[in-house]
Amino acid sequence: DIVMTQSPDSLAVSLGERATINCKSSQSLFSNNRDYLGWYQQKPGQPPKLLIYGASTRESGVPDRFTGSGSGTDFSLTISTLQAEDVAVYYCQQYYTITQTFGQGTKLEIK
Amino acid sequence: QVQLVQSGAEVKKPGASVKVSCKASGYIFTRYVVHWVCQAPGQRLEWMGWINAGNGNTQYSSKFQDRVTITRDTSANTAYMELHNLRSEDTAVYYCARGIGSGSYDDYWGQGTLVTVSS
Repeated sequence: DIVMTQSPDSLAVSLGERATINCKSSQSLFSNNRDYLGWYQQKPGQPPKLLIYGASTRESGVPDRFTGSGSGTDFSLTISTLQAEDVAVYYCQQYYTITQTFGQGTKLEIK
Repeated sequence: QVQLVQSGAEVKKPGASVKVSCKASGYIFTRYVVHWVCQAPGQRLEWMGWINAGNGNTQYSSKFQDRVTITRDTSANTAYMELHNLRSEDTAVYYCARGIGSGSYDDYWGQGTLVTVSS
């Protein structure tokens, strides 16, 4: 299985500041001119919510302060100006293989 | 609007089986796949398997392959995940999620079903 490793495990950022979460895959996720990488947000007691797919395409309705970047094996999710409602755990996911795998999660808090 | 509604929480004894349902609405059920993902307390999301709701083909994670069965009922727009020979470490929230294909992201998720395994 492809191993997904996120950094950091937790992150505290002030309101209005930028937050960046990194994700590294054990093999390239690039094929057919696209990266098979998604980002999800999970708030306590809720299911995950899709934010980004294809490494950089924002899902419909997701605020434009969320930006995905990267290709191959190294990816990032950036929240440009942190809002209080962004407190959550964020997961990256590879769906390059039929057996999709997730990172361990990054807990984002307000400083 | 797309919705996936799962069955309620379950408490089971070790060695028993549990069957969780996932009823889909708001889209053509047979044009998508349904993934099953579990999350033990404080742990990461873990993919268990998927079913092609159209043709019924399935694929399972090697970790769960010997103990999980995923099925669907197209007349009821419902997918099912049955986990056999339960152990205490199977205590987790189980989610269903819609996917466009076998190798796809999960764009809509069910609310989750807590399964507790305890003697």
